[in-house]
Amino acid sequence: KAGVTQTPRYLIKTRGQQVTLSCSPISGHRSVSWYQQTPGQGLQFLFEYFSETQRNKGNFPGRFSGRQFSNSRSEMNVSTLELGDSALYLCASSLGFFTAETQYFGPGTRLLVL
Amino acid sequence: GQQLNQSPQSMFIQEGEDVSMNCTSSSIFNTWLWYKQDPGEGPVLLIALYKAGELTSNGRLTAQFGITRKDSFLNISASIPSDVGIYFCAGQTSNFGNEKLTFGTGTRLTIIP
Repeated sequence: KAGVTQTPRYLIKTRGQQVTLSCSPISGHRSVSWYQQTPGQGLQFLFEYFSETQRNKGNFPGRFSGRQFSNSRSEMNVSTLELGDSALYLCASSLGFFTAETQYFGPGTRLLVL
Repeated sequence: GQQLNQSPQSMFIQEGEDVSMNCTSSSIFNTWLWYKQDPGEGPVLLIALYKAGELTSNGRLTAQFGITRKDSFLNISASIPSDVGIYFCAGQTSNFGNEKLTFGTGTRLTIIP
């Protein structure tokens, strides 16, 4: 069974640009969560989607947005990039409503903002 | 954002030694989880704890859910090279619609040859 896949794996952008990251959950999983991981702040929850609806949201500015498609694939978008947005962005999928025990993480997309 | 206090930040041990790390919070959690992250990978769930005072093992790993529900502990016995990585604790509330995870700052485990 294929795991959670994230594309691209690495990305370099400049300040002011926008970026879209993609996450394909494990087949059959309907919940997708996004996290930002930085050395200083650790793992921070961004948002969770279930059946194309955002169920939960972390404390990030409106520049961070996401969506989920009918096939459960999810994208997150960051507009007007700032240097501080450089991070590893992790996606995790779970079978139903967010349950940590059934949540599997992808390898992440490493974003560098110059 | 909120973080859990995890200690120690890093550990340098020899193969075969036991390891202990802990996580504390100012908030109560209904679930405590422990993850391991290898370089270039996402975190992998090691142990989940659901009840105050609960002690759960997974092979050489043992974790405990603190009685106050504000802390948790992870022990690794007889460490081996593949134990190297970053260990994270995470707390979760069970409020429906607000089940997001709050992560600890991580403990980086290094095994000295």
